[in-house]
Amino acid sequence: QVQLVQSGAEVKKPGASVKVSCKTSGYTFTGYYMHWVRQAPGQGLEWMGWINPNSGGTDYAQKFQGRVTMTRDTSIRTVYMELSRLRSDDTAAYYCARDASRVLDYWGQGTLVTVSS
Amino acid sequence: EIVLTQSPGTLSLSPGERATLSCRASQSVMKNYLAWYQQKPGQAPRLLIYDASSRATGIPDRFSGSGSGTDFTLTISRLEPEDFAVYYCQQYGSSRTFGQGTKVEIK
Repeated sequence: QVQLVQSGAEVKKPGASVKVSCKTSGYTFTGYYMHWVRQAPGQGLEWMGWINPNSGGTDYAQKFQGRVTMTRDTSIRTVYMELSRLRSDDTAAYYCARDASRVLDYWGQGTLVTVSS
Repeated sequence: EIVLTQSPGTLSLSPGERATLSCRASQSVMKNYLAWYQQKPGQAPRLLIYDASSRATGIPDRFSGSGSGTDFTLTISRLEPEDFAVYYCQQYGSSRTFGQGTKVEIK
């Protein structure tokens, strides 16, 4: 069965970077794009971008360009999302989600990133 | 960027009632590439509807989607206790954007 398992919660100081991982199983890793979506506490969903695990190509939401980097390691079927220059309003749950013909059919369990001094 | 506006913000209904949720786009959504997701507290979102009206695998037929262009609707024909949750629309015709969500709560 398809599974997306994300890394654990993180606490970071303003200005630092965070790297969240999403380990996949149960399907052909290089056959599906992977998206990242975040959700601030009590707020809605915000799309951050996607990565093509086959080529490594990426597309980032304009809001995050210059601060976000999505990468992958095909040998361990894992994608990563790194966000730099963290601010307090980056405090959120970060989700990876598999793209099946443009819609997000499987999601990770979420990783809470807290930015606090 | 396409902005999606969902209404109402909160819908207070009783089990067995019909729920009608609206999602309006700031410009036409290409090929009606519009999806609906359900999210319960502490859980990741779950895909319900894609391409405006197609149900995802395993989704009960009490959930239906309709609409085209800029106006879309999610209908839950008879609310079950497990349907009380927050619902988001998302367009994927031009990049990706989500609506702000509609909470369906027990009256």
